[in-house]
Amino acid sequence: GNSVTQMEGPVTLSEEAFLTINCTYTATGYPSLFWYVQYPGEGLQLLLKATKADDKGSNKGFEATYRKETTSFHLEKGSVQVSDSAVYFCALRKAAGNKLTFGGGTRVLVKP
Amino acid sequence: ETGVTQSPTHLIKTRGQQVTLRCSSQSGHNTVSWYQQALGQGPQFIFQYYREEENGRGNFPPRFSGLQFPNYSSELNVNALELDDSALYLCASSLIAGGSYNEQFFGPGTRLTVL
Repeated sequence: GNSVTQMEGPVTLSEEAFLTINCTYTATGYPSLFWYVQYPGEGLQLLLKATKADDKGSNKGFEATYRKETTSFHLEKGSVQVSDSAVYFCALRKAAGNKLTFGGGTRVLVKP
Repeated sequence: ETGVTQSPTHLIKTRGQQVTLRCSSQSGHNTVSWYQQALGQGPQFIFQYYREEENGRGNFPPRFSGLQFPNYSSELNVNALELDDSALYLCASSLIAGGSYNEQFFGPGTRLTVL
Protein backbone atom coordinates (compact mmCIF):
# COMPACT_ATOMS: atom_id res chain seq x y z
CA GLY A 1 0.00 0.00 0.00
CA ASN A 2 0.88 3.66 -0.02
CA SER A 3 2.97 5.11 2.77
CA VAL A 4 4.90 8.24 3.70
CA THR A 5 7.93 8.37 5.96
CA GLN A 6 9.32 11.60 7.31
CA MET A 7 12.07 12.41 9.73
CA GLU A 8 11.14 12.40 13.36
CA GLY A 9 11.34 15.55 15.37
CA PRO A 10 11.52 17.67 17.17
CA VAL A 11 13.81 19.79 15.07
CA THR A 12 15.11 22.78 17.02
CA LEU A 13 16.70 25.65 15.11
CA SER A 14 17.78 29.21 15.65
CA GLU A 15 16.16 32.00 13.69
CA GLU A 16 17.61 32.44 10.17
CA ALA A 17 18.93 28.86 10.14
CA PHE A 18 18.39 26.51 7.18
CA LEU A 19 15.63 23.95 7.54
CA THR A 20 15.37 20.57 5.83
CA ILE A 21 12.71 17.97 6.59
CA ASN A 22 13.15 14.68 4.77
CA CYS A 23 10.19 12.87 3.28
CA THR A 24 10.12 9.65 1.27
CA TYR A 25 7.12 7.80 -0.07
CA THR A 26 6.00 4.41 -1.33
CA ALA A 27 3.29 4.35 -3.94
CA THR A 28 2.43 2.86 -7.27
CA GLY A 29 1.98 5.10 -10.25
CA TYR A 30 2.38 8.84 -10.05
CA PRO A 31 0.92 10.30 -6.88
CA SER A 32 0.63 13.98 -6.11
CA LEU A 33 2.76 15.11 -3.17
CA PHE A 34 1.96 17.69 -0.53
CA TRP A 35 3.35 19.45 2.51
CA TYR A 36 0.85 20.57 5.13
CA VAL A 37 1.56 22.69 8.20
CA GLN A 38 -0.30 22.56 11.50
CA TYR A 39 0.09 25.48 13.87
CA PRO A 40 -0.76 24.96 17.56
CA GLY A 41 -4.48 24.55 18.11
CA GLU A 42 -5.31 24.74 14.42
CA GLY A 43 -6.17 22.41 11.57
CA LEU A 44 -3.97 21.58 8.62
CA GLN A 45 -3.03 24.17 6.01
CA LEU A 46 -1.66 23.29 2.61
CA LEU A 47 1.86 24.68 2.35
CA LEU A 48 2.85 23.49 -1.12
CA LYS A 49 2.31 20.70 -3.60
CA ALA A 50 3.75 19.02 -6.69
CA THR A 51 1.81 16.84 -9.08
CA LYS A 52 4.47 15.28 -11.29
CA ALA A 53 8.12 14.30 -11.31
CA ASP A 54 10.64 17.15 -11.18
CA ASP A 55 7.93 19.67 -10.26
CA LYS A 56 8.98 22.13 -7.58
CA GLY A 57 6.36 23.40 -5.17
CA SER A 58 7.04 26.63 -3.33
CA ASN A 59 5.27 28.95 -0.91
CA LYS A 60 6.25 31.38 1.86
CA GLY A 61 9.95 30.69 1.28
CA PHE A 62 9.49 26.91 1.52
CA GLU A 63 10.39 24.64 -1.40
CA ALA A 64 10.16 20.94 -2.21
CA THR A 65 11.00 19.06 -5.41
CA TYR A 66 9.24 15.86 -6.53
CA ARG A 67 12.03 13.34 -7.06
CA LYS A 68 10.64 10.15 -8.53
CA GLU A 69 14.03 8.46 -8.84
CA THR A 70 14.53 8.69 -5.08
CA THR A 71 10.80 8.73 -4.18
CA SER A 72 11.40 11.83 -2.10
CA PHE A 73 9.85 15.24 -1.49
CA HIS A 74 12.11 16.98 1.00
CA LEU A 75 11.00 20.32 2.42
CA GLU A 76 13.51 23.17 2.65
CA LYS A 77 13.59 26.78 3.78
CA GLY A 78 16.66 28.93 3.64
CA SER A 79 16.03 31.17 6.64
CA VAL A 80 13.43 30.20 9.23
CA GLN A 81 11.54 32.55 11.51
CA VAL A 82 10.03 31.99 14.94
CA SER A 83 6.62 32.03 13.25
CA ASP A 84 7.60 28.87 11.31
CA SER A 85 7.36 26.86 14.53
CA ALA A 86 4.74 24.23 13.79
CA VAL A 87 4.25 20.57 12.88
CA TYR A 88 4.88 19.75 9.23
CA PHE A 89 3.24 16.80 7.46
CA CYS A 90 4.25 15.24 4.18
CA ALA A 91 1.39 13.57 2.31
CA LEU A 92 0.57 11.87 -0.97
CA ARG A 93 -2.59 11.43 -3.00
CA LYS A 94 -2.94 8.81 -5.66
CA ALA A 95 -3.72 9.95 -9.17
CA ALA A 96 -7.27 8.63 -9.03
CA GLY A 97 -8.85 9.54 -5.76
CA ASN A 98 -9.06 12.10 -3.02
CA LYS A 99 -7.60 10.18 -0.07
CA LEU A 100 -4.52 11.75 1.52
CA THR A 101 -1.91 9.48 3.11
CA PHE A 102 0.15 11.36 5.69
CA GLY A 103 3.52 10.87 7.30
CA GLY A 104 3.85 11.02 11.06
CA GLY A 105 4.70 14.71 11.18
CA THR A 106 7.81 16.63 12.17
CA ARG A 107 7.66 19.23 14.90
CA VAL A 108 9.84 22.26 14.24
CA LEU A 109 10.74 24.74 16.96
CA VAL A 110 12.52 27.95 15.97
CA LYS A 111 14.14 29.88 18.77
CA PRO A 112 14.91 33.61 18.59
CA GLU B 1 -16.27 33.03 1.94
CA THR B 2 -16.70 30.86 5.03
CA GLY B 3 -14.10 28.20 5.62
CA VAL B 4 -14.59 24.70 6.99
CA THR B 5 -16.08 24.69 10.46
CA GLN B 6 -16.44 21.86 12.95
CA SER B 7 -18.40 21.38 16.13
CA PRO B 8 -17.97 20.86 18.94
CA THR B 9 -14.42 21.98 19.61
CA HIS B 10 -13.90 19.57 22.47
CA LEU B 11 -15.85 16.58 23.70
CA ILE B 12 -15.45 14.15 26.59
CA LYS B 13 -17.22 10.79 26.50
CA THR B 14 -16.96 7.48 28.34
CA ARG B 15 -16.32 4.05 26.92
CA GLY B 16 -19.32 2.50 25.23
CA GLN B 17 -21.04 5.80 24.50
CA GLN B 18 -21.87 7.16 21.07
CA VAL B 19 -20.74 10.49 19.63
CA THR B 20 -21.67 12.68 16.66
CA LEU B 21 -19.27 15.22 15.23
CA ARG B 22 -20.33 17.85 12.71
CA CYS B 23 -18.65 19.58 9.80
CA SER B 24 -19.77 22.43 7.56
CA SER B 25 -17.97 22.42 4.25
CA GLN B 26 -16.58 25.45 2.49
CA SER B 27 -18.89 27.23 0.09
CA GLY B 28 -18.82 25.65 -3.38
CA HIS B 29 -17.42 22.32 -2.18
CA ASN B 30 -19.23 19.02 -2.71
CA THR B 31 -16.99 16.53 -0.95
CA VAL B 32 -16.18 15.96 2.70
CA SER B 33 -13.43 13.72 4.04
CA TRP B 34 -12.88 12.75 7.66
CA TYR B 35 -9.51 12.01 9.26
CA GLN B 36 -8.50 10.78 12.70
CA GLN B 37 -5.31 12.24 14.16
CA ALA B 38 -4.05 10.48 17.29
CA LEU B 39 -1.72 12.45 19.53
CA GLY B 40 1.72 12.82 17.97
CA GLN B 41 0.75 11.08 14.75
CA GLY B 42 -0.31 12.00 11.25
CA PRO B 43 -3.97 12.05 10.22
CA GLN B 44 -5.51 8.75 9.11
CA PHE B 45 -8.24 8.70 6.46
CA ILE B 46 -11.58 7.46 7.79
CA PHE B 47 -13.92 7.96 4.82
CA GLN B 48 -15.13 10.42 2.23
CA TYR B 49 -18.62 11.54 1.24
CA TYR B 50 -19.48 12.76 -2.23
CA ARG B 51 -23.01 13.54 -3.38
CA GLU B 52 -24.36 12.26 -0.07
CA GLU B 53 -22.82 8.79 -0.45
CA GLU B 54 -19.73 7.20 1.06
CA ASN B 55 -17.07 7.27 -1.61
CA GLY B 56 -13.96 5.64 -0.19
CA ARG B 57 -13.12 4.28 3.24
CA GLY B 58 -9.95 3.70 5.22
CA ASN B 59 -9.19 0.92 7.70
CA PHE B 60 -11.81 1.82 10.26
CA PRO B 61 -14.50 -0.52 11.66
CA PRO B 62 -18.20 -0.15 10.82
CA ARG B 63 -18.89 1.57 14.13
CA PHE B 64 -17.46 4.64 12.38
CA SER B 65 -20.22 5.90 10.11
CA GLY B 66 -21.20 9.13 8.49
CA LEU B 67 -23.70 11.19 6.62
CA GLN B 68 -23.59 13.98 4.09
CA PHE B 69 -26.53 16.33 3.74
CA PRO B 70 -27.88 18.12 0.63
CA ASN B 71 -26.03 21.28 1.68
CA TYR B 72 -22.82 19.16 1.69
CA SER B 73 -22.32 19.40 5.43
CA SER B 74 -21.45 16.14 7.13
CA GLU B 75 -21.59 14.16 10.34
CA LEU B 76 -19.24 11.54 11.71
CA ASN B 77 -20.80 9.06 14.12
CA VAL B 78 -18.83 6.71 16.32
CA ASN B 79 -20.62 3.99 18.27
CA ALA B 80 -19.39 1.95 21.21
CA LEU B 81 -16.52 4.32 21.94
CA GLU B 82 -13.17 2.84 22.92
CA LEU B 83 -10.27 4.49 24.70
CA ASP B 84 -8.23 4.40 21.48
CA ASP B 85 -10.83 6.58 19.79
CA SER B 86 -9.41 9.54 21.70
CA ALA B 87 -8.01 11.79 18.99
CA LEU B 88 -8.41 14.97 16.99
CA TYR B 89 -10.99 14.44 14.28
CA LEU B 90 -10.43 16.55 11.20
CA CYS B 91 -12.87 17.30 8.47
CA ALA B 92 -11.74 18.44 5.03
CA SER B 93 -13.89 19.73 2.20
CA SER B 94 -13.04 19.92 -1.47
CA LEU B 95 -14.55 20.14 -4.92
CA ILE B 96 -14.65 17.18 -7.26
CA ALA B 97 -15.62 18.30 -10.73
CA GLY B 98 -15.05 16.89 -14.18
CA GLY B 99 -12.97 14.07 -12.76
CA SER B 100 -10.56 16.51 -11.13
CA TYR B 101 -9.74 16.45 -7.44
CA ASN B 102 -9.05 19.90 -6.05
CA GLU B 103 -7.35 21.07 -2.88
CA GLN B 104 -8.76 19.85 0.43
CA PHE B 105 -9.38 22.53 3.04
CA PHE B 106 -9.27 21.39 6.64
CA GLY B 107 -11.31 22.51 9.59
CA PRO B 108 -9.80 23.15 13.03
CA GLY B 109 -10.88 19.73 14.30
CA THR B 110 -12.83 18.28 17.21
CA ARG B 111 -10.78 16.96 20.12
CA LEU B 112 -12.49 13.81 21.45
CA THR B 113 -11.43 12.34 24.77
CA VAL B 114 -12.77 8.93 25.78
CA LEU B 115 -12.49 8.07 29.48
